[in-house]
Amino acid sequence: AQRVTQPEKLLSVFKGAPVELKCNYSYSGSPELFWYVQYSRQRLQLLLRHISRESIKGFTADLNKGETSFHLKKPFAQEEDSAMYYCALHTGTASKLTFGTGTRLQVTL
Amino acid sequence: EPEVTQTPSHQVTQMGQEVILRCVPISNHLYFYWYRQILGQKVEFLVSFYNNEISEKSEIFDDQFSVERPDGSNFTLKIRSTKLEDSAMYFCASSQLAGGTDTQYFGPGTRLTVL
Repeated sequence: AQRVTQPEKLLSVFKGAPVELKCNYSYSGSPELFWYVQYSRQRLQLLLRHISRESIKGFTADLNKGETSFHLKKPFAQEEDSAMYYCALHTGTASKLTFGTGTRLQVTL
Repeated sequence: EPEVTQTPSHQVTQMGQEVILRCVPISNHLYFYWYRQILGQKVEFLVSFYNNEISEKSEIFDDQFSVERPDGSNFTLKIRSTKLEDSAMYFCASSQLAGGTDTQYFGPGTRLTVL
């Protein structure tokens, strides 16, 4: 069965510091990975997906099939990045997304 | 920009009562989903719906749950006889194409509290 692991519940960094939110997955086939973000009192929204290979709001994520990871990175954290971040996995023909437990990113001055 | 909407934002009910959670997906979307998140836990898939039928459901989605698209715009989740453990945030989502090939857009959620 597929599983997504986000080992950190809370990640606290200073403004301007680099950020790395970890995500590992288990799935034997070809995965599609997503990062969703939830700002305070807002809905879940897609941040980025691995097939797009794009950078959104300065965030990037590379799928590493060897390490089964899809870590989210940003070189310089901003206060407005403070939010809950969820890694999600879509597999095969199934329509569902499997989410990790989420990591709260707290950016402080 | 079109958004998924959900009503009510908060529903309080007594154990054993039936509840209906409502969602209005984005208008040109064809795939609809319900997820739930129990406080402090992960977002969990419940069910997906396409072409007026369930395309996939999880183990959580037992006989107490049902979904319906009663008209061209609403998508509802019914819990027939609520239990304490049904207390959670329920999210509706929709996508234009099947989930992995297209983005799922989420609603703001309905917080269900079962007393």
